[in-house]
Amino acid sequence: DSGVTQTPKHLITATGQRVTLRCSPRSGDLSVYWYQQSLDQGLQFLIQYYNGEERAKGNILERFSAQQFPDLHSELNLSSLELGDSALYFCASSVSGTNTDTQYFGPGTRLTVL
Amino acid sequence: AQSVTQPDIHITVSEGASLELRCNYSYGATPYLFWYVQSPGQGLQLLLKYFSGDTLVQGIKGFEAEFKRSQSSFNLRKPSVHWSDAAEYFCAVGTGGGFKTIFGAGTRLFVKA
Repeated sequence: DSGVTQTPKHLITATGQRVTLRCSPRSGDLSVYWYQQSLDQGLQFLIQYYNGEERAKGNILERFSAQQFPDLHSELNLSSLELGDSALYFCASSVSGTNTDTQYFGPGTRLTVL
Repeated sequence: AQSVTQPDIHITVSEGASLELRCNYSYGATPYLFWYVQSPGQGLQLLLKYFSGDTLVQGIKGFEAEFKRSQSSFNLRKPSVHWSDAAEYFCAVGTGGGFKTIFGAGTRLFVKA
């Protein structure tokens, strides 16, 4: 158990809908990362937050947005969902969000868009 | 552009045999390199990481990796594989400034009795 929690574990929804994925980092970690894992794209970095502020952006679509709250939990919002958004979404956390940090991954949220 | 290549999509080894998983990276500066393992239905777990210093890095679960700058490689090794090592292994490079991690496509390891 990494100490990172993600809810829900599974999510099934329809095209065009909007969903919110939630992540609670390990106690003491200030940085949160979001990743998408799909069969065709592999594991892709989406976005990183540190203590409430966006720090780095990867291949995140404009239909997707995220934020980190004062209690350090984070939410990833996916809107206007398409079939291709079906994937495993991982959250990870680290102490300070630097290049040398170890990232601890949550178990993931499996999103299925029908 | 930065990239990570894991040439082997899957590898099968016998239990007790040695293992080497290949990883090649493309990055202009000195890279930060990582190996992660993902068991079925689980998130990723860090095995080891390299930033500088000794090019042979020891990790958890008996794994080690060697950084070879001349070959742009960071291969993962284990002298004796256990059935519980069956999983998917990802090599990753951490780019400068803001930590954008680029992952390889992964190598799935099968262990036969």
